[in-house]
Amino acid sequence: RKEVEQDPGPFNVPEGATVAFNCTYSNSASQSFFWYRQDCRKEPKLLMSVYSSGNEDGRFTAQLNRASQYISLLIRDSKLSDSATYLCVVKGSGAGSYQLTFGKGTKLSVIP
Amino acid sequence: GAGVSQSPSNKVTEKGKDVELRCDPISGHTALYWYRQSLGQGLEFLIYFQGNSAPDKSGLPSDRFSAERTGGSVSTLTIQRTQQEDSAVYLCASSFTPTTFYNEQFFGPGTRLTVL
Repeated sequence: RKEVEQDPGPFNVPEGATVAFNCTYSNSASQSFFWYRQDCRKEPKLLMSVYSSGNEDGRFTAQLNRASQYISLLIRDSKLSDSATYLCVVKGSGAGSYQLTFGKGTKLSVIP
Repeated sequence: GAGVSQSPSNKVTEKGKDVELRCDPISGHTALYWYRQSLGQGLEFLIYFQGNSAPDKSGLPSDRFSAERTGGSVSTLTIQRTQQEDSAVYLCASSFTPTTFYNEQFFGPGTRLTVL
């Protein structure tokens, strides 16, 4: 089983749609979770951290289910500018607590 | 303020040549990381520096890869005798104390390496 797995997509959605991405991780001892965004031929940038209680930032909502080792990202009212690849990222624990493990990403295209 | 910078932005080299990739982290960031992103693949961890020390080199793919960091700042990733499979985007990131749970890593724009 891969350490962090995501549906690669692509997800093609019209403007204004709601879209959800899912991610599973294999290391049950993982401590921290993130969604990064990567635009084409650009570096990854932090979109939001994912907390146990779930958290929201404007149109974006992230949720974590530790029991199922599952992370989600919900985007409401999609904008053209949301088109990008969304990377699910898990941070290790203990001796590996500095290391980020990335999923391969889910590509989103928002269509006019 | 200035972000992480990397140079060169693009490098084309011939198989068998050595290359050096440079990373300037954000001022004050003690931790520095190198990743590699191959076409269609996720980011692959290569090496991590805390100050000038590299406590974890486990991600380096082979002994042709080495990295150093001087003055707790600039880092150089060196690939000797490059092979075509080394072609990828090499990304550098930096952060404050790396073991804090929600410590953000800031990425540079990357160096796109093409080995002919």
